[in-house]
Amino acid sequence: GENVEQHPSTLSVQEGDSAVIKCTYSDSASNYFPWYKQELGKGPQLIIDIRSNVGEKKDQRIAVTLNKTAKHFSLHITETQPEDSAVYFCAASRSRGTSYGKLTFGQGTILTVHP
Amino acid sequence: EAGVVQSPRYKIIEKKQPVAFWCNPISGHNTLYWYRQNLGQGPELLIRYENEEAVDDSQLPKDRFSAERLKGVDSTLKIQPAELGDSAVYLCASTPRTSGTDTQYFGPGTRLTVL
Repeated sequence: GENVEQHPSTLSVQEGDSAVIKCTYSDSASNYFPWYKQELGKGPQLIIDIRSNVGEKKDQRIAVTLNKTAKHFSLHITETQPEDSAVYFCAASRSRGTSYGKLTFGQGTILTVHP
Repeated sequence: EAGVVQSPRYKIIEKKQPVAFWCNPISGHNTLYWYRQNLGQGPELLIRYENEEAVDDSQLPKDRFSAERLKGVDSTLKIQPAELGDSAVYLCASTPRTSGTDTQYFGPGTRLTVL
């Protein structure tokens, strides 16, 4: 089955700095890669996603890059703000065939943005 | 649009007792997922429903866990009897009916503590 590794496990930055979180996946058939933000006591909330036919996607201060050959994808947050502090999870899944829709999550990154 | 609703939000029980969690997905979402999230880890899929049918329950510990989605809307996840290791957050997620949409929307979860 799919295995997703996420690094770093904790990340501390100053307000205004950039933050980068990296993930690798094992299943070459995975073609959907979402990123979720989870705040204390809440469920994961989708912040951005990317499909395997795209190399990069941006949404305001957030961007995701995908390297299918190397099987890794990254989340980039620019101009970080204290409200960006949360746990971030990457995930991977297939859009077709067996295991369709089964999200395999990374272990999570605790991001702390200091004012 | 209302999000995924789960109840109860918190549950504390003694081991060997039964427990049930309820989920109401976003209106119109035909695909429903149950995940378990252990402390400090990413969610892990337990079961996926397409309407009333459980199409992927390979990760559900069937000796003590059961789930149902009788009318293709609400779903209930049950544990009987609960063990200490079942302490976790149980998350419900749903996906819209639109073809090609993979986005999973998560509820706030039920935090289970087994004493």
